[in-house]
Amino acid sequence: GNSVTQMEGPVTLSEEAFLTINCTYTATGYPSLFWYVQYPGEGLQLLLKATKADDKGSNKGFEATYRKETTSFHLEKGSVQVSDSAVYFCALSDPSNFGNEKLTFGTGTRLTIIP
Amino acid sequence: NAGVTQTPKFRILKIGQSMTLQCTQDMNHNYMYWYRQDPGMGLKLIYYSVGAGITDKGEVPNGYNVSRSTTEDFPLRLELAAPSQTSVYFCASTRLAGAITDTQYFGPGTRLTVL
Repeated sequence: GNSVTQMEGPVTLSEEAFLTINCTYTATGYPSLFWYVQYPGEGLQLLLKATKADDKGSNKGFEATYRKETTSFHLEKGSVQVSDSAVYFCALSDPSNFGNEKLTFGTGTRLTIIP
Repeated sequence: NAGVTQTPKFRILKIGQSMTLQCTQDMNHNYMYWYRQDPGMGLKLIYYSVGAGITDKGEVPNGYNVSRSTTEDFPLRLELAAPSQTSVYFCASTRLAGAITDTQYFGPGTRLTVL
């Protein structure tokens, strides 16, 4: 079946450091890939997505590229801020459920940025 | 625009008690979902609905029931609470845009403890 493996946390970085959170996936078809973010006390919200191989999703300075050859979708940001402290989830959509985007999630990575 | 709202935010139940977790969305989305998130794990799909009057099981439906009498509401019912149902529960919704579903929007979650 489908699965998503995420870099284990927690991750602690200093402000302005470079961030990478690794994500790899297993899927039988051609999934869409997502990064969701959960700020303290809030629900998950979509950060970025990519729907086909070699697509790059980007938002708020974060980027991730859909790499089919390595089945990866790593999240990167060049210079993190304290406000980026949150839990980040990698997810994929089930390609066998056309028109019904059931998501498979990774376990989440807690990121803390210290000033 | 409230988005997806969930009540209550926190609840403690005794074994064998029952309760209903409420979920409401004001975006006129036809698809709605219930997930649970156990500590250190990703989100797992409990039930989902593709429209009023239509529900289906997800990955972990045992011990839960749902109904969808209106587009806005998708309550989740626990009939005989068990310690294994201690978790954080998230409701989400999305719309079908042509043949492709859109981004899922999540509520803030309900933290449930069964003792």
